[in-house]
Amino acid sequence: QSVLTQPPSVSAAPGQKVTISCSGSSSNIGNNYVSWYQQLPGTAPKLLIYDNNKRPSGIPDRFSGSKSGTSATLGITGLQTGDEADYYCGTWDSSLSARVFGGGTKLTVL
Amino acid sequence: QVQLVQSGAEVKKPGASVKVSCKASGYTFTSYGISWVRQAPGQGLEWMGWISAYNGNTNYAQKLQGRVTMTTDTSTSTAYMELRSLRSDDTAVYYCARSREGMDVWGQGTTVTVSS
Repeated sequence: QSVLTQPPSVSAAPGQKVTISCSGSSSNIGNNYVSWYQQLPGTAPKLLIYDNNKRPSGIPDRFSGSKSGTSATLGITGLQTGDEADYYCGTWDSSLSARVFGGGTKLTVL
Repeated sequence: QVQLVQSGAEVKKPGASVKVSCKASGYTFTSYGISWVRQAPGQGLEWMGWISAYNGNTNYAQKLQGRVTMTTDTSTSTAYMELRSLRSDDTAVYYCARSREGMDVWGQGTTVTVSS
């Protein structure tokens, strides 16, 4: 049971937009920065978003992040088949004094 | 280019120890921390802990306290993660990741299999 809650799966057609939610509490998302990671099959995770809404260099602006209260959202526009992957949110939990991840969301581009 | 290169796959018996290395290149090693994250087969990401490459300070996940030790060797820009008293549920891919604003560079992963 993960501290952060994500939907197990989402799907959308190529070219469409999808959002992935990440729900937490005041001890984690509510008072700490959120990061998002993409894990393509058989590969290491890749940082997509840090500090709630910042993109590392090389990450296209099709990927965006936002946070409101104790929830965060990853948005992906202009979906491509290459975006099919597992997506994880992560943040610091002040009560646990530990970094925590969501359970992951599998994105299918139909 | 910035990269983290991890040591190769390991097969261990229950009760044994494993030590995984993570060699950094392309950046100033002591300017970042290193996090360790593992992923059991078919499961999500689990944070194991973090070490400052600057001063060696560590922060371990509570469930691994007493079994895990993270160290760094600044002379070789290498981080190490040792896990002791291995159990079958420690079977996983173990990743190191450069950490500051998020975990922005990841190693390729090291598969550790615990089996009798």
